[in-house]
Amino acid sequence: EVQLVESGGGLVQPGGSLRLSCAASGFTFSSYEMNWVRQAPGKGLEWVSYIGTSGTTIYYADSVRGRFTISRDNAKNSLYLQMNSLRAEDTAVYYCARDLYCSGGSCYLAFDIWGQGTMVTVSS
Amino acid sequence: DIVMTQTPLSLSVTPGQPASISCKSSQSLLHSDGKTYLYWYLQKPGQSPQLLIYEVSSRFSGVPDRFSGSGSGTDFTLKISRVEAEDVGVYYCMQRIHLRTFGQGTKVEIK
Repeated sequence: EVQLVESGGGLVQPGGSLRLSCAASGFTFSSYEMNWVRQAPGKGLEWVSYIGTSGTTIYYADSVRGRFTISRDNAKNSLYLQMNSLRAEDTAVYYCARDLYCSGGSCYLAFDIWGQGTMVTVSS
Repeated sequence: DIVMTQTPLSLSVTPGQPASISCKSSQSLLHSDGKTYLYWYLQKPGQSPQLLIYEVSSRFSGVPDRFSGSGSGTDFTLKISRVEAEDVGVYYCMQRIHLRTFGQGTKVEIK
C-alpha cells in the first residue's frame, strides 16, 4: 500500500526547534518529488516547502524561508522538515505530500498522496 | 507571489443539484511548456486533502465524473453536476507555476 506517515510533532516553546519526519512506503521514494503543506487550526492549506528527487532543488514559502529546512534520505525512504525559531503562527497540522501522479504511462505533477498529518503547537 | 481567490467561500447545496466554485489567479497559470498548472483538492471533514483535478480539467483516479474542471489563463471553475452527501468538505484550488499557492477554500455543505 502506498503510504506516507508523518511523525515528530508536539508542543514546543516559541523560539524552539522541532524536526518532522515523513516515512514513505509502497513506492519508489527516490523517484518522487515531495512537499510539506500545513494547516493552522480552523484555517486553510498553506504550502510550506518542496524538494526534488535528489534533494538539490528546494523551494520554500516566504513565511518559513530562513527558519525551516527540508531534506530527504532516499536510502531511508524518508522526508524531513527541520523547523527552527518557531513562532506561534507556525502552529498547524503538517502534511507531507507526494508530488507526481503516473497513470497510463504518463506522469503529471500533482500532490496525489498525502499523509495523515502531525500536529505542531508552538506555545509557552 | 501569485494570489488565488476562490468564490464563494461557502456553499449550501441540495442533494442532486449542481454546484460551481470559481478560482481566479493573480497571474496566468499557463506555463511555457503549454500546460496550465491549476489543481483542485477536497478536504473532507477530519481527513487529509485529496486530489480531485489536475492540470485544470483532468480527473484523478477514482474521482467520479460528476466532478469537472475548466478554465484557462487566470479563471478556473470546478463544477459538481449533481452534489451527493459524500461531497461535503472544503475545496481548494492550487497553482504551481510559481512555487505553490492554495486558494482560501470553499466549504460545501448539504442543505
